[in-house]
Amino acid sequence: EVHLVESGGGLVKPGGSLRLSCVASGFSFSNAWMGWVRQAPGKGLEWVGRIKSKVDGGATEYGAPGKGRFTVSRDDSRNTLYLQIKSLKTEDTAVYFCTTEANWSPWDWGQGTLVIVSS
Amino acid sequence: DVVMTQSPLSLPVTLGQPASISCRSSQSLVYSDGNTYLTWFHQRPGQSPRRLIYKVSERDSGVPDRFSGSGSGTDFTLRISRVEAEDVGVYYCMQGTHWPPGYTFGQGTKLEIK
Repeated sequence: EVHLVESGGGLVKPGGSLRLSCVASGFSFSNAWMGWVRQAPGKGLEWVGRIKSKVDGGATEYGAPGKGRFTVSRDDSRNTLYLQIKSLKTEDTAVYFCTTEANWSPWDWGQGTLVIVSS
Repeated sequence: DVVMTQSPLSLPVTLGQPASISCRSSQSLVYSDGNTYLTWFHQRPGQSPRRLIYKVSERDSGVPDRFSGSGSGTDFTLRISRVEAEDVGVYYCMQGTHWPPGYTFGQGTKLEIK
């Protein structure tokens, strides 16, 4: 069974940085394309970014909110996906979900980790 | 950039009755490989989203067969043949054809029981 467990969220001041982690189990992490989707309180889903498997080149791609301030990375030896966020803004307040990908779509989802950006 | 538009945004349904959600894209979602990367998700209150349907009409494992997806080009539909209490929540369509911008979600349709 696939398990995705996010951590690293919390209360951060505007301008600060944060690194979110997602520990994966139950599948071959090194062969998986992985991604992040976020959801602001009471709002819809917004795609943040993804990273391909190393065998597929390991490239990263980002959606509108992720460009410039967000970095997706992976450590296959630890079965862990990361999302580094710099220069946090109040509009980055959201639950951040880690996902696997299949058939050009997010597939399995973690339970999410809440990031609150507030002074 | 491609824009995904769902309707209705709110959908009250009587238990046991059918339901239908429309999703329209501002550009054709047919990819160069011939596939159409249109996905449907369901998010129950307080839970993570769950993928129901990918590539327009392919149901994920474990998804009840009362859920079906159809459509082509720019117009897509998710149908629930007989709504059950567990079907409440928000349904999202999403495109995966156009890169950039990457995965793009619709606004969501909230299904509730009348």
